[in-house]
Amino acid sequence: ETGVTQTPRHLVMGMTNKKSLKCEQHLGHNAMYWYKQSAKKPLELMFVYSLEERVENNSVPSRFSPECPNSSHLFLHLHTLQPEDSALYLCASSQDSGQGAEQYFGPGTRLTVT
Amino acid sequence: GENVEQHPSTLSVQEGDSAVIKCTYSDSASNYFPWYKQELGKRPQLIIDIRSNVGEKKDQRIAVTLNKTAKHFSLHITETQPEDSAVYFCAASSGYKLSFGAGTTVTVRA
Repeated sequence: ETGVTQTPRHLVMGMTNKKSLKCEQHLGHNAMYWYKQSAKKPLELMFVYSLEERVENNSVPSRFSPECPNSSHLFLHLHTLQPEDSALYLCASSQDSGQGAEQYFGPGTRLTVT
Repeated sequence: GENVEQHPSTLSVQEGDSAVIKCTYSDSASNYFPWYKQELGKRPQLIIDIRSNVGEKKDQRIAVTLNKTAKHFSLHITETQPEDSAVYFCAASSGYKLSFGAGTTVTVRA
C-alpha cells in the first residue's frame, strides 16, 4: 500500500484500557507527526519525530506515549484516557528539509473513550 | 509560537461563484503556507502551497496570494463546483512544524 496508513481506523476503549495506534509511511520520509483533530478546533500537533528522534512534545498528557522504532513506523500508546480524549487522531509524514514541506496525512483513527 | 487565524469559519456559495478564505499569521519567520482540503470522513490533502519568496500562485481554479508585510494569505476558488464542498485549512510554517487555522467549511449550493 502506498502513502500513509493507520490502524485501527476506529477504536472504542474504556478509561482503564490500554491500546496502541499504529502509523506506517511508505514515502521514504524522515519526519512523522501525531495530530489530534476535534470538532470545531484547529488540528493540534501532539508529537514530532525527525530521524526517529522526538523533536516536539506539545504539552501532551503522559497518558499519550509515542514511539518511533524506525523512520517508517510511528505508534501512539494510550492508557487511562479520559472522555475528552475522544477525537480523530491523524498521523502525517514529510521530508524534513527545514524549509517547510508538504505533510502527507493518514486516514486517521477515530477514537471514542467511554 | 505561531498563531494562525482563519476566516470565515463557514462559507456558502452558489455553484459557479467564487470563494475566498483568508488567514493571518503572527510569526514573521514563517516562510511556507500550505492549504489543505478535507472532505467529510477523509484525510486532509494538500491542494496548493506558497513560499514567502512568491506573492501569488495559481493552479487551475485555485489560487493563493501572500502579503508578507501584512502577514496574511488567502485562498481563492473560482467557478466553484459541488465537489469543492469540504473543510479547508490554512497553515504556516518556518520549518517542520505546521500551525493550522481552525478551518473553513465550504458548501457549494447547486
